[in-house]
Amino acid sequence: GAVVSQHPSWVICKSGTSVKIECRSLDFQATTMFWYRQFPKQSLMLMATSNEGSKATYEQGVEKDKFLINHASLTLSTLTVTSAHPEDSSFYICSAVPGLFTDTQYFGPGTRLTVL
Amino acid sequence: KNEVEQSPQNLTAQEGEFITINCSYSVGISALHWLQQHPGGGIVSLFMLSSGKKKHGRLIATINIQEKHSSLHITASHPRDSAVYICAVPIFGNEKLTFGTGTRLTIIP
Repeated sequence: GAVVSQHPSWVICKSGTSVKIECRSLDFQATTMFWYRQFPKQSLMLMATSNEGSKATYEQGVEKDKFLINHASLTLSTLTVTSAHPEDSSFYICSAVPGLFTDTQYFGPGTRLTVL
Repeated sequence: KNEVEQSPQNLTAQEGEFITINCSYSVGISALHWLQQHPGGGIVSLFMLSSGKKKHGRLIATINIQEKHSSLHITASHPRDSAVYICAVPIFGNEKLTFGTGTRLTIIP
């Protein structure tokens, strides 16, 4: 089946540093990727929609200058958490849509970010 | 009122029991997703369905579009089925998913 990978799977960083998380579709091309955030015991919340070759669309309340998204190719999207703070500690998950005109989404395994 | 509601929130059952998790949503949709999230956090897509029923191994998903309701069933449950089960729907008519709060299932040996 289709596989989506994320790297790293977990990261610990100091407050004020930036962290980059990669989301790759391994065996299909994804024109659209989604980035989600999940706090403990809460549901996934969509942060932004990433489209290859264009600017990401951010959900209300998500700071685009803090969460930089780049979708440089049809198999890779990156999320950079800039100047991370402890409140950014969360589980970040991406999903990828294989092509157009489909409701299917394949989810990555997630990246656990801890900011000290 | 949440646009996607799941019940129960928590479910504990003995190994071998038949499990049912329910999901109700408030607007018309094109398809509904059932996801499984393991304790480590990773998410696996179980089903995507737009009508009727789908079966994969011991898992069965059904959906009633008119009643805006879906169920996930697990037959002969096993401790490895312990996870959080999440339903998700494209509320806004596109690929963007809205997620239910999840059902935490614990199967006791």
